[in-house]
Amino acid sequence: DAGVTQSPTHLIKTRGQQVTLRCSPKSGHDTVSWYQQALGQGPQFIFQYYEEEERQRGNFPDRFSGHQFPNYSSELNVNALLLGDSALYLCASSFRLGSYNEQFFGPGTRLTVL
Amino acid sequence: KNEVEQSPQNLTAQEGEFITINCSYSVGISALHWLQQHPGGGIVSLFMLSSGKKKHGRLIATINIQEKHSSLHITASHPRDSAVYICAAQETSGSRLTFGEGTQLTVNP
Repeated sequence: DAGVTQSPTHLIKTRGQQVTLRCSPKSGHDTVSWYQQALGQGPQFIFQYYEEEERQRGNFPDRFSGHQFPNYSSELNVNALLLGDSALYLCASSFRLGSYNEQFFGPGTRLTVL
Repeated sequence: KNEVEQSPQNLTAQEGEFITINCSYSVGISALHWLQQHPGGGIVSLFMLSSGKKKHGRLIATINIQEKHSSLHITASHPRDSAVYICAAQETSGSRLTFGEGTQLTVNP
């Protein structure tokens, strides 16, 4: 079992560009959550996908959007990148939305916006 | 005021010491998570608990639902325990996690 995988590992973009980050959940998991972790801070919830729909959303602008595919993998898209979007982006997967099940985290994608 | 608060922010200990990290939360939860994050970013789940106490090796996690407080204890600390420890509250309405700011633990030999 490969666990939760994310790609790419690192990414450098410039202001105004667009980026797509990818996440494959742990085998058997159907719920994917995305988090943004700025340097020195705890992760902040971006949104969560279940059954290919966005189920919950944190306090992030519409520049942040996502998608979940039938195989449960997910993408996070960020448009019109700002310097402040530089962060570690974490994906977490679990089984069944809202259930008492452990979440497993991926290694993260470190995004640097210049 | 953050919904999840941890203390201390930074903790330095000598090898062998008993360590306690505290977490207080103000939201309704279905579970409280303790996570470990090493340099480079990878997060590992240590505990998920909704009541009482759990133990895994030298790690012990406790939660008091009435007081909305949880603690993570490390017995006989070791330099390899050096990491950031984060508590996260799982909301009752879903599996969304609200994280604390983390505690940077350094254990010196």
